[in-house]
Amino acid sequence: GAVVSQHPSWVICKSGTSVKIECRSLDFQATTMFWYRQFPKQSLMLMATSNEGSKATYEQGVEKDKFLINHASLTLSTLTVTSAHPEDSSFYICSARRDRGYGYTFGSGTRLTVV
Amino acid sequence: EDQVTQSPEALRLQEGESSSLNCSYTVSGLRGLFWYRQDPGKGPEFLFTLYSAGEEKEKERLKATLTKKESFLHITAPKPEDSATYLCAVQARQGAQKLVFGQGTRLTINP
Repeated sequence: GAVVSQHPSWVICKSGTSVKIECRSLDFQATTMFWYRQFPKQSLMLMATSNEGSKATYEQGVEKDKFLINHASLTLSTLTVTSAHPEDSSFYICSARRDRGYGYTFGSGTRLTVV
Repeated sequence: EDQVTQSPEALRLQEGESSSLNCSYTVSGLRGLFWYRQDPGKGPEFLFTLYSAGEEKEKERLKATLTKKESFLHITAPKPEDSATYLCAVQARQGAQKLVFGQGTRLTINP
């Protein structure tokens, strides 16, 4: 149980375009979802926390107008990188949690390359 | 500010050579300490959650322990398939549900 599916697993986009990443909880309802960014050989850095039906809470230094997060249902959250630039190239990972007291399940990650 | 420090940064062992990974933490009040395994190009895979000092959990060749200041991940007689990055994370009692991660330990087991 507790499976999180993340798509796409990799994407290449041109500079200036937008790209959307989906995160789905397959067998549970996720009241809270988290989006992380990971650079090579570095740890996970939390970008934002989203609760179903509410606006996302962004970590300090993360541009909310650039990284749009939508958590419209209890099983789906999306991260849209708007007007992507090469410095946005990274590994993006989502995580979902059923409720307080439950663990955190991670998606398989999305490798974004902006050319 | 909540902080997690893992050591060593990288560790190379021979197959069968047991060792331990360290996770030191500073947190306002620990709600839970988590260990994950991450393979290259993949998301973290859950291993253990520890909640209070003195707690221990085991899974196959791995055993996690917790004190008030640190956690250890002991690996006994490792195999090459145990090679991965091991991540430690804490959830503070106060504040949001977010996890704070350490930098990870890259473990390589040579056959």
